[in-house]
Amino acid sequence: AQSVTQPDARVTVSEGASLQLRCKYSSSVTPYLFWYVQYPRQGLQLLLKYYSGDPVVQGVNGFEAEFSKSNSSFHLRKASVHWSDSAVYFCAVSMTNYGNEKITFGAGTKLTIKP
Amino acid sequence: DPKIIQKPKYLVAVTGSEKILICEQYLGHNAMYWYRQSAKKPLEFMFSYSYQKLMDNQTASSRFQPQSSKKNHLDLQITALKPDDSATYFCASSQQGVNERLFFGHGTKLSVL
Repeated sequence: AQSVTQPDARVTVSEGASLQLRCKYSSSVTPYLFWYVQYPRQGLQLLLKYYSGDPVVQGVNGFEAEFSKSNSSFHLRKASVHWSDSAVYFCAVSMTNYGNEKITFGAGTKLTIKP
Repeated sequence: DPKIIQKPKYLVAVTGSEKILICEQYLGHNAMYWYRQSAKKPLEFMFSYSYQKLMDNQTASSRFQPQSSKKNHLDLQITALKPDDSATYFCASSQQGVNERLFFGHGTKLSVL
C-alpha cells in the first residue's frame, strides 16, 4: 500500500522569500515520487520526479525537492518565490513493482504569495 | 494549443440523468486515465487504460463507465447522476504508465442539481 500526507493545507509566503512545502510518503517498496502543480482552472502539471540517484532533484521554474529515505519525506523547496507561483501543489507517490501502476496524490497544499 | 481536450468545460445536470464526458489526447500516448477532484476529497484515481484496454478500475460504482472508441479517446459515461457526483473530472495521459509524466486536461466541472 502507498500513501501521501501533505500536512499543510495552506501556506502563505511573501514574494521573494524562500519556500518549503512538506510531503511525507509511505510505500512498501522503492517509490517514484512526484510534485505536480495546479494553476487555477487548469489540470495538473509535473514539476519534478524522483526515483533514484542524487536525493536533490531539480525541477522547472527553480523548484527542487529533496528525498529522505530515513524520514520518508520528499519536501519541495524554492529559494525565492514569485507571485506567479501561487497555485495548489500536489505530492504524489507510485510504486515501482506494482502490477498495475497506480499513482496516489496527496490532498494538496494551496500556496498564496503575498506582495 | 491544448494537447488533451476535454469537453465540455462546464456541465450542469439534474439528478438521475446521464452524461458523457469527452476526452481526446493528441500526444500519441498509449495510456489514458480519469481522475476526480472534489472539495471533499483529494485527487482520486478512477480508471486507467492502456492500448484501449482497461487496466485498473478504482471506482466502486458501475454508474461510471469509460468508453474508448479510439486509441486517443477515453470518454466517461455517468448514469443515474447524484449530487455527490459533483466534481471536476480530469482526463490524463502518459506514454506508457504513471511512473512517467502525466499530462492532464483542463477538466470538466460537473454540477448535479
